[in-house]
Amino acid sequence: DIQMTQSPASLSASPEEIVTITCQASQDIGNWLAWYQQKPGKSPQLLIYSATSLADGIPSRFSGSRSGTQYSLKISRLQVEDTGIYYCLQRYSNPWTFGGGTKLELK
Amino acid sequence: QVQLKESGPGLVQPSETLSLTCTVSGFSLTSYSVSWVRQPSGKGPEWMGRMWYDGDTAYNSALKSRLSISRDTSKNQVFLKMNSLQTDDTGTYYCTREDYYSSYIYDGNWFAYWGQGTLVTVSS
Repeated sequence: DIQMTQSPASLSASPEEIVTITCQASQDIGNWLAWYQQKPGKSPQLLIYSATSLADGIPSRFSGSRSGTQYSLKISRLQVEDTGIYYCLQRYSNPWTFGGGTKLELK
Repeated sequence: QVQLKESGPGLVQPSETLSLTCTVSGFSLTSYSVSWVRQPSGKGPEWMGRMWYDGDTAYNSALKSRLSISRDTSKNQVFLKMNSLQTDDTGTYYCTREDYYSSYIYDGNWFAYWGQGTLVTVSS
């Protein structure tokens, strides 16, 4: 199975700051990566698909990038409503696997 | 309006079989694939298996020996059955619709719509 290692496990940032979350794949997965946001007690919501494409209705302050087997989710101008847990997901091969999550809190 | 809703017992005894139902509305199961994803409390989600739009199935190899996914298209329902449950099977179980997204050469399905999830506790 492909392992997805997320970092950091948690972070705290102030409104308007820029934050970056990374996901390291255990092998080449191309751009077959998505990012999800999950708020407490809610289901995950798709933010980014195919590593860099913004899902419908997602604010443009969210962006995704790739460097080799490392993937990044960048949130520019952090907002209060961005708190939650962020997960990456690879669909390059079965089984599709998620990262362990990054908990984002606002100061 | 696309909706998915999971239902089933909240408590299952160890070694017993879990049966869950995902009831969908706003779309046809013959046009979209539906996956089951579970999430232990405080941990990342785990993909369990998929009911393809054409009726075929795919399973996570880690669960394949215990897991069965089926559907009734006339009732707009997808079913999950997993046997020999243990305490580490405790968690929230979701069904999710896979939507096709086009992105240059990386066109493919992603989990787009999710049910609210149902908490399953395995305990005696």
